[in-house]
Amino acid sequence: DAKTTQPPSMDCAEGRAANLPCNHSTISGNEYVYWYRQIHSQGPQYIIHGLKNNETNEMASLIITEDRKSSTLILPHATLRDTAVYYCIVSRLDFFGNEKLTFGTGTRLTIIP
Amino acid sequence: EAGVVQSPRYKIIEKKQPVAFWCNPISGHNTLYWYLQNLGQGPELLIRYENEEAVDDSQLPKDRFSAERLKGVDSTLKIQPAELGDSAVYLCASSQGLAGDYEQYFGPGTRLTVT
Repeated sequence: DAKTTQPPSMDCAEGRAANLPCNHSTISGNEYVYWYRQIHSQGPQYIIHGLKNNETNEMASLIITEDRKSSTLILPHATLRDTAVYYCIVSRLDFFGNEKLTFGTGTRLTIIP
Repeated sequence: EAGVVQSPRYKIIEKKQPVAFWCNPISGHNTLYWYLQNLGQGPELLIRYENEEAVDDSQLPKDRFSAERLKGVDSTLKIQPAELGDSAVYLCASSQGLAGDYEQYFGPGTRLTVT
């Protein structure tokens, strides 16, 4: 299974860009990189996902290196409401041929006023 | 559009008692997931349904846990009997298809405390 490595915690000043790194050196060619976040006492929330190309949506940008062994989630203008645990996940096929999201422990991002 | 609904939000029971959690997915979502989240950890998949069929229950402790999804809509997760180690948050999620194609939408979870 492709596993991910994230720093346990990060701080970012309000209004600045938050850059969250993720290593997934064992990712295989057909696996996607997903990012979810979990605000305290809520369920996880989807942010963005990608395969090879960089992706951008209204919430964030995802930059995937050319060798796909690492990626960075960018929150362009962090606000206090972005304080959460951010999970980088590589989707994989399980024994039954279904795709499954395996969450790690994530990065706890704290936005500083 | 209503999100994934779970009830109850909180439950406190004594060990060896039964407990049940209910989930109503987003309308039209044929895939439903139950996850377990321990304190300080990420969610762990317990079971996944495609319509009314459980297609992945490999991580469900079948000696005490059971789940059903009648008519392919609502789902119930049951623990009988509960143990102290079952204290955790139980999350339900739904999606329109396989996780590789569609995002998963999570409910707020049920926080279970077993005393």
